[in-house]
Amino acid sequence: GAVVSQHPSWVICKSGTSVKIECRSLDFQATTMFWYRQFPKQSLMLMATSNEGSKATYEQGVEKDKFLINHASLTLSTLTVTSAHPEDSSFYICSASSREVEQYFGPGTRLTVT
Amino acid sequence: GQNIDQPTEMTATEGAIVQINCTYQTSGFNGLFWYQQHAGEAPTFLSYNVLDGLEEKGRFSSFLSRSKGYSYLLLKELQMKDSASYLCAVMDSNYQLIWGAGTKLIIKP
Repeated sequence: GAVVSQHPSWVICKSGTSVKIECRSLDFQATTMFWYRQFPKQSLMLMATSNEGSKATYEQGVEKDKFLINHASLTLSTLTVTSAHPEDSSFYICSASSREVEQYFGPGTRLTVT
Repeated sequence: GQNIDQPTEMTATEGAIVQINCTYQTSGFNGLFWYQQHAGEAPTFLSYNVLDGLEEKGRFSSFLSRSKGYSYLLLKELQMKDSASYLCAVMDSNYQLIWGAGTKLIIKP
């Protein structure tokens, strides 16, 4: 089956620093990648959708200058949280899809900002 | 607006059967997904329904009625490892997933 990896699986950083999260599709080419954020006991919240080689489309309320998304290839997308603050602490999950309807999820990255 | 409703929490007994309902109102419909999510982990795919009817896959079955905007996930022969949150998600006319808040299923011995 389709496998999506994320790195790192968890990260702790200091307030004001930036953190980069990688999302890779290991055995298929992902034409579209999605970035979600999930706070405890809440559902997934879509942050942005990115297509390879083009700018990401951000959901309303998500600051594109704070959450930088790069989808440089058909197997890699990165999310950079710039100038992180404690309220950015969350579970960040990426998913990837090819031409199929289904999205394949990565294992998630738990970010803690101190 | 778009809306997905599912119960917040359900409790069931090991070995029993449980049905988790999901109702939706979305802008268009391109299929309904059920995902399982264990605490601290990402969701894993369970089922996809785009036509009316029942799809059976082992101990799990999913039902869809597009005219009623309704789906359910049926779990049989419950095991302790089935304790998790179950997320209902609908793909709208823009092929964007609209997520329910999830149903936390607690299995008791």
